[in-house]
Amino acid sequence: ETGVTQTPRHLVMGMTNKKSLKCEQHLGHNAMYWYKQSAKKPLELMFVYNFKEQTENNSVPSRFSPECPNSSHLFLHLHTLQPEDSALYLCASSQDVSRPQHFGDGTRLSIL
Amino acid sequence: QQQVKQSPQSLIVQKGGISIINCAYENTAFDYFPWYQQFPGKGPALLIAIRPDVSEKKEGRFTISFNKSAKQFSLHIMDSQPGDSATYFCAALATSGTYKYIFGTGTRLKVLA
Repeated sequence: ETGVTQTPRHLVMGMTNKKSLKCEQHLGHNAMYWYKQSAKKPLELMFVYNFKEQTENNSVPSRFSPECPNSSHLFLHLHTLQPEDSALYLCASSQDVSRPQHFGDGTRLSIL
Repeated sequence: QQQVKQSPQSLIVQKGGISIINCAYENTAFDYFPWYQQFPGKGPALLIAIRPDVSEKKEGRFTISFNKSAKQFSLHIMDSQPGDSATYFCAALATSGTYKYIFGTGTRLKVLA
């Protein structure tokens, strides 16, 4: 079992659809993160959860809605996305926010 | 002041050569500097990291050099192999206060056989 598991690996959706990305970590970490990775851009931090509490929302549009039901699971709910939201969405976890992050393999999202 | 500037954007090295990737930062609150390696279709994987109390850290063929006064750090890959072909990201973390984790823009390394 890999440390950080993301599902699905690929997702194609229309602009009016609603879908969710799932992240699960088996490392006993207390902090979890969502990142957006687009071509030729730095990794963009979207959300940070520390001990299940959201501690950072990096000016992310409301069409992205995170949920952290427990310290092992993190979701990213998507609705009415735009074509420019097509990217690789990476989940990461760390022991706490001051420790190095471990990444999943991402969900490749394509918006039609 | 939150940026981490990484160069070059891409790098081609012959097998057996030395690959060098550089990063520079501004914020003196950063006190942890990891490097990540990312293969196509995979997430970034932590490769090696350094704290500013040392000037160099070596793990196998990978070495981080750190220059605190210049606020620069670099990754050296000795005896580069085709299997090292990947995208490398530097990052900087402030482990207290704001806990900011800032990534560089990445360097795409290709090692020719």
